[in-house]
Amino acid sequence: GAGVSQTPSNKVTEKGKYVELRCDPISGHTALYWYRQSLGQGPEFLIYFQGTGAADDSGLPNDRFFAVRPEGSVSTLKIQRTERGDSAVYLCASSSYAGDNEQFFGPGTRLTVL
Amino acid sequence: GESVGLHLPTLSVQEGDNSIINCAYSNSASDYFIWYKQESGKGPQFIIDIRSNMDKRQGQRVTVLLNKTVKHLSLQIAATQPGDSAVYFCAESISNFGNEKLTFGTGTRLTIIP
Repeated sequence: GAGVSQTPSNKVTEKGKYVELRCDPISGHTALYWYRQSLGQGPEFLIYFQGTGAADDSGLPNDRFFAVRPEGSVSTLKIQRTERGDSAVYLCASSSYAGDNEQFFGPGTRLTVL
Repeated sequence: GESVGLHLPTLSVQEGDNSIINCAYSNSASDYFIWYKQESGKGPQFIIDIRSNMDKRQGQRVTVLLNKTVKHLSLQIAATQPGDSAVYFCAESISNFGNEKLTFGTGTRLTIIP
């Protein structure tokens, strides 16, 4: 079956611009996570959705970052006024229900801020 | 030991030999641990997991050992193959039937020498 998909696979933008990154979780998965992975590092948690609501956004670095999941399926991570330090791979993961630890990751979106 | 930034710990193993990758986790409250494999340009791929009520779990060619006393996790890969070359991450989480966000280690780069 289809796994987690993310679009675009690569995004190059200029400092100060706005970007949106999309995640399509595995069909039927209610839990969705966003992580950020800098070069040479492990992924770092950003935000968690259970259904449509953001249950934990404690990993978002500042208020330039925001994410939505309006229908409980597709999620969009939005970054305003991008900075060079935002350059990283943004990973999305989903799991089948709350309490199911196994998370399935997408391929990520590589964001480069010039 | 582990390093940070661009300098991942590395391990080179002759094809057919066994490999052991180690990880020190940080939170004594963590009760679920996972090993992920990440190939270049891809998202992390689940390998094997273990809960804190166990100290050993075996899969196909892989074994995970958990030592809660010293907060140490290891991944053993038997009879390594070229396709095992990748970066390996340990991750920990706390089960709360809600947000099972993962905290990842720095990672170890495993290279299989043909």
